[in-house]
Amino acid sequence: SQQGEEDPQALSIQEGENATMNCSYKTSINNLQWYRQNSGRGLVHLILIRSNEREKHSGRLRVTLDTSKKSSSLLITASRAADTASYFCATETRGSTLGRLYFGRGTQLTVWP
Amino acid sequence: GAVVSQHPSRVICKSGTSVKIECRSLDFQATTMFWYRQFPKQSLMLMATSNEGSKATYEQGVEKDKFLINHASLTLSTLTVTSAHPEDSSFYICSARDLRGARETQYFGPGTRLLVL
Repeated sequence: SQQGEEDPQALSIQEGENATMNCSYKTSINNLQWYRQNSGRGLVHLILIRSNEREKHSGRLRVTLDTSKKSSSLLITASRAADTASYFCATETRGSTLGRLYFGRGTQLTVWP
Repeated sequence: GAVVSQHPSRVICKSGTSVKIECRSLDFQATTMFWYRQFPKQSLMLMATSNEGSKATYEQGVEKDKFLINHASLTLSTLTVTSAHPEDSSFYICSARDLRGARETQYFGPGTRLLVL
């Protein structure tokens, strides 16, 4: 399967702490994307990192990509209760239908006030 | 960011009826739309890829006669679940992208929750 795998499956932290989620994948990619999903809602695009990039920042989000290890991490700094959601990584793989995304199983993040 | 809408947001129907779900890109033209289904606490599984003006490409194991997809314009794709059964109950999400440009971002709709009784 080309599906990514997130780790951990669930993460529970206090407000103010940092949250780190990891994603591993199996094939060569064009880019890797992180999405957020609140319970019962659609997905919100957070950040996209291309295969030739190693790190990207957006506000309190920091994403790293290690193509040699086929892994990525999403760091949320100074977490807030409103960050509680499921976070998915998705890869756009080389040689696949343009735009087709392979999703991981997600990490359920709970931030306690 | 760009906006994608889905309608209806939730639907309850009797077994054997057909349900149509609309996916619209509101402020951009979507050459390609993707349809996913998601079971509780699970990931998104791609059902089919829909290109404007052509037949949809279905993923392995997805019945094309059961899940009819039409992408007649650059802003609208529809998914019709024909003769729905309880096992079709799920959360259906579409996404849209304009593959003509350099933007790689894909925009997701808010999802449609289908419950078949």
